Formats: sequence, C-alpha cells, structure tokens
Amino acid sequence: EDQVTQSPEALRLQEGESSSLNCSYTVSGLRGLFWYRQDPGKGPEFLFTLYSAGEEKEKERLKATLTKKESFLHITAPKPEDSATYLCAVQASGSNYQLIWGAGTKLIIKP
Amino acid sequence: DTAVSQTPKYLVTQMGNDKSIKCEQNLGHDTMYWYKQDSKKFLKIMFSYNNKELIINETVPNRFSPKSPDKAHLNLHINSLELGDSAVYFCASSQGPFSPLHFGNGTRLTVT
Repeated sequence: EDQVTQSPEALRLQEGESSSLNCSYTVSGLRGLFWYRQDPGKGPEFLFTLYSAGEEKEKERLKATLTKKESFLHITAPKPEDSATYLCAVQASGSNYQLIWGAGTKLIIKP
Repeated sequence: DTAVSQTPKYLVTQMGNDKSIKCEQNLGHDTMYWYKQDSKKFLKIMFSYNNKELIINETVPNRFSPKSPDKAHLNLHINSLELGDSAVYFCASSQGPFSPLHFGNGTRLTVT
C-alpha cells in the first residue's frame, strides 16, 4: 500500500538552530514528491517539487533533498516566521493523478 | 488578487441541513479539486475536475456532489449534513493533474 510518513510530528527550535524534517514514502513508482507549507487558518502553499533521487531544490533558508526512500527538508538558521506545518505529498506512477499526503510536521521557531 | 477563493470561510449549521461551498480560481488552471482536512490534519482528496470533466471521485458519501459550471468554478453541495462532516474543506487548482496545487484558504464546516 502506498504510504507517506512524516517525522517528527512536532519540532521546537530556537531561532538560528538548524534542523531537518523527514518524509519517508513507499510507493510502487515515484512520479513526484511535493513539499508544502501551511500556516494556521490558511491553505497549504507550494514550496518544492522533486522528481528523482539525488535532486535538490533551495529557497531562502529551505533546502529539499530526495533519495529513493525519503525526502528531507533542511532548515538553516530558521527565523520565527518559518513557524508553520510542513506537509509532504507523493504522486505515484499510475496513481490516477492522486497525491498521497503525510500528516505534516509542526515547526515552532522560538525567538 | 486572490488566486483561489472559496466562500464562506466559516459555516455553522445543524444536522440534516443542505449547504454549498463555492470556489473560484483566476489562475487559468484546467484542473480543480476538493479536499477534506480532518482534525489530525490529514488531507484527503474528494473530487477532481479537469476541464469541467470529473477525473477523480473518491469514496465519499453520495450526499456530497461537486458541480463545475465552467473551468474557473467548482462548487461543493452537501445534503443531509451529519456530525462527521465537520472538518475544513479546501478547494485547489493546478495547471494539470501533475502540477503543484494552489489552495484556497479553506471553509471550516461545523455541524451541530
């Protein structure tokens, strides 16, 4: 069964303390892996798409990487405004277009 | 300019009522979706339309019926509301079925 698991469920960091969020997946074939950010009371906002193992994408303090089994979202020197829930979603080959979503990691950055 | 807008933002109603949620996108996208986000934050696809044609119809009660009058609109009508329907419903759109999604800000439905 296709599955996406994110860890940890919640992560509290001090401002400037770098860390990584994990998204592990089991699918029959990967078409693409997506990262989104969701702020309270808002819809998810697209961050990155990764398509193949070894691929990396960067945006400001965020860098997403992909292996054959998992993806990491690295956060370097985070600021309080990076606090949000980060969602990972996978689109499998032959999946009838559907995305399989993880439950998210709630990130809190304390000043 | 709001890219994907849905109304209302909050909807409080009693069991057994019928209600609708409206969604409009001004991005020129071909594909639109309805998602349900439960209390544990899992996002579950309900429906997807591509160029007004239904392409995903997940196992949801037939009390839920989507309607797409044109490419820019996808409305959700819910009959005979139940307590378990309480959740946040998100509308989204994308350029195509394999492109990133653009979400609205959600409609929080509370059934009492």
